[in-house]
Amino acid sequence: NAGVTQTPKFQVLKTGQSMTLQCAQDMNHNSMYWYRQDPGMGLRLIYYSASEGTTDKGEVPNGYNVSRLNKREFSLRLESAAPSQTSVYFCASKMVSGTDTQYFGPGTRLTVL
Amino acid sequence: EDKVVQSPLSLVVHEGDTVTLNCSYEVTNFRSLLWYKQEKKAPTFLFMLTSSGIEKKSGRLSSILDKKELFSILNITATQTGDSAVYLCAVGRNYGGSQGNLIFGKGTKLSVKP
Repeated sequence: NAGVTQTPKFQVLKTGQSMTLQCAQDMNHNSMYWYRQDPGMGLRLIYYSASEGTTDKGEVPNGYNVSRLNKREFSLRLESAAPSQTSVYFCASKMVSGTDTQYFGPGTRLTVL
Repeated sequence: EDKVVQSPLSLVVHEGDTVTLNCSYEVTNFRSLLWYKQEKKAPTFLFMLTSSGIEKKSGRLSSILDKKELFSILNITATQTGDSAVYLCAVGRNYGGSQGNLIFGKGTKLSVKP
């Protein structure tokens, strides 16, 4: 039981390049989330998927797109990376009801030059 | 605007000390308050609180929620160097499409010196 997994662990991009961050969970959770964490800013929600087939914007969605590929997988895409997107990205998941507890993946450290 | 404020932002103590971390919130449709511990990598879950006045305890860590005064505290007794981490407070809300989403505070960085 791996929990929440993310790939890659590290990535360096040049301004304007695109990439997709992958996230998968094996806990049969319904809801999945993408956050970014910047120094002194805490965790900020980018996009979330309350259930398979649905996605919604969070607090800081500009410059990102997401795909809920199936119940297990939720990807985050940067179409044209900018230096302001340099951050650590975390994926999380939770059951749809009964608890607000989210379980986090190990994170992806992204640097945009 | 909903917000979660943690204090202090950083704290340095010596092994064996007791520390209290604070979390206050202004959130519409409050549903729960959660504490996470973040070392080098992913935040790991500590507690979820939904009822006022009921202490949750796990080993040397404990937490309590006051829904009237809109705050929670996380206590760590007999601190150890392994307690060094950033402690995150988050609040869950209960409305519409945001049901289940969390708002995070900026965290308290705790450093425990030997």
